[in-house]
Amino acid sequence: GAGVSQSPRYKVTKRGQDVALRCDPISGHVSLYWYRQALGQGPEFLTYFNYEAQQDKSGLPNDRFSAERPEGSISTLTIQRTEQRDSAMYRCASSLTPPGTGGTDTQYFGPGTRLTVL
Amino acid sequence: AQKVTQAQTEISVVEKEDVTLDCVYETRDTTYYLFWYKQPPSGELVFLIRRNSFDEQNEISGRYSWNFQKSTSSFNFTITASQVVDSAVYFCALRGRMDSNYQLIWGAGTKLIIKP
Repeated sequence: GAGVSQSPRYKVTKRGQDVALRCDPISGHVSLYWYRQALGQGPEFLTYFNYEAQQDKSGLPNDRFSAERPEGSISTLTIQRTEQRDSAMYRCASSLTPPGTGGTDTQYFGPGTRLTVL
Repeated sequence: AQKVTQAQTEISVVEKEDVTLDCVYETRDTTYYLFWYKQPPSGELVFLIRRNSFDEQNEISGRYSWNFQKSTSSFNFTITASQVVDSAVYFCALRGRMDSNYQLIWGAGTKLIIKP
């Protein structure tokens, strides 16, 4: 596609429910990143993939958070047993090449999913 | 540790004024990369520029210009003849190479308001 897309754009859920957030990266992009952004702050790294391999999940806050990218394209971020503190904007980005490979590793972001946990 | 500081939380100017957004960074890496992104009211994050640490040339793109100074660890962003459409939150970010995770480290952002 022309850019990174994310769905849903808005998600309201009740505390304790599981949610799945989807990211469709720019076609051909090797690397995919997930970030979380609280209001008034910069994005906070969660995890990233090269193709289908999860390279770094050090930013996932706890084991309720998981991500997968089974075929090296679309990725899903899953939050189990949601809590109110999980409310935030969840952003996905992709880059043509993996980080550290030069100018083609610039990250391009999707529109984000605004998650609200009641 | 790596850090990005955007000391200006919010700036408000009248249209057509010039405005400079400050970004100061800290890193022990000798090779690193600096970025600016724009977040308009619609919420997306739009890539503006990337700068490598070994390239201190300033860059101009239309009304936008960037001043990279390693001596002061700054990468400031100037908008000339500002327009209402420039209203957004602007983020400066850093990525080093010492940390093998190559994570982007973000500033807190500067909210820019351009009044007509």
